[in-house]
Amino acid sequence: QLQLQESGPGLEEPSETLSLTCSVSGGSVGSKSYYWGWIRQSPGKGLQWIGTVCYGESTNYNPSLKTRVTISVDTSQNQFSLDLRSVTAADTAIYYCVRGESGDSGGYFNYWGQGTLVTVS
Amino acid sequence: DIQMTQSPSTLFASVGDRVTITCRASQSISGWLAWYQQMPGKAPKLLIYQGSKLESGVPPRFSGSGSGTEFTLTISSLRPQDVAVYYCQQYNSYSLLTFGGGTKVEIK
Repeated sequence: QLQLQESGPGLEEPSETLSLTCSVSGGSVGSKSYYWGWIRQSPGKGLQWIGTVCYGESTNYNPSLKTRVTISVDTSQNQFSLDLRSVTAADTAIYYCVRGESGDSGGYFNYWGQGTLVTVS
Repeated sequence: DIQMTQSPSTLFASVGDRVTITCRASQSISGWLAWYQQMPGKAPKLLIYQGSKLESGVPPRFSGSGSGTEFTLTISSLRPQDVAVYYCQQYNSYSLLTFGGGTKVEIK
């Protein structure tokens, strides 16, 4: 059974870079059958897609965050990461790592990590 | 951007009621729509994909329908454990995936 676990600092200062890692067990981040990505949820608010990557294929980012975001895959550690630069209080949110199906019929997310709260203050 | 609008924002229903949630897209997304359930303090869980396909392990009282710009999620007989926020998500445009604002389902 696939499991995703987020890790990283729970508190960031404004203007710094938020860095999170998602450790994957029960599956391989090197598989081209899946997208790996990040979604966030501001306290009490809805869901915002940040971006997704398919190893060896394309990376897609939310245009509203594109200039500040990098998502990368580390097959040696079987994990993937999120870097969000120049953070402000508006980036305070629960960050979820996710897995979705790739291919023409993909784009939804059937595995989610438990989420990690990052506060920018 | 494809905007997703859900209605109602909050829904009160009795145990056993049939519950319907609507999701409208600002432009046609064909059938590329997913529904998620988020229980309090938990990560969202996929219920439905491609508009009407039930994710493995999801109870059959959940169903999805629609295409183009209008979609519905139906709970055929509401149970107490269905209290949650439900979100729709379009994936017609992989350059920008977007979610609806959510519908909170509560027991009357």
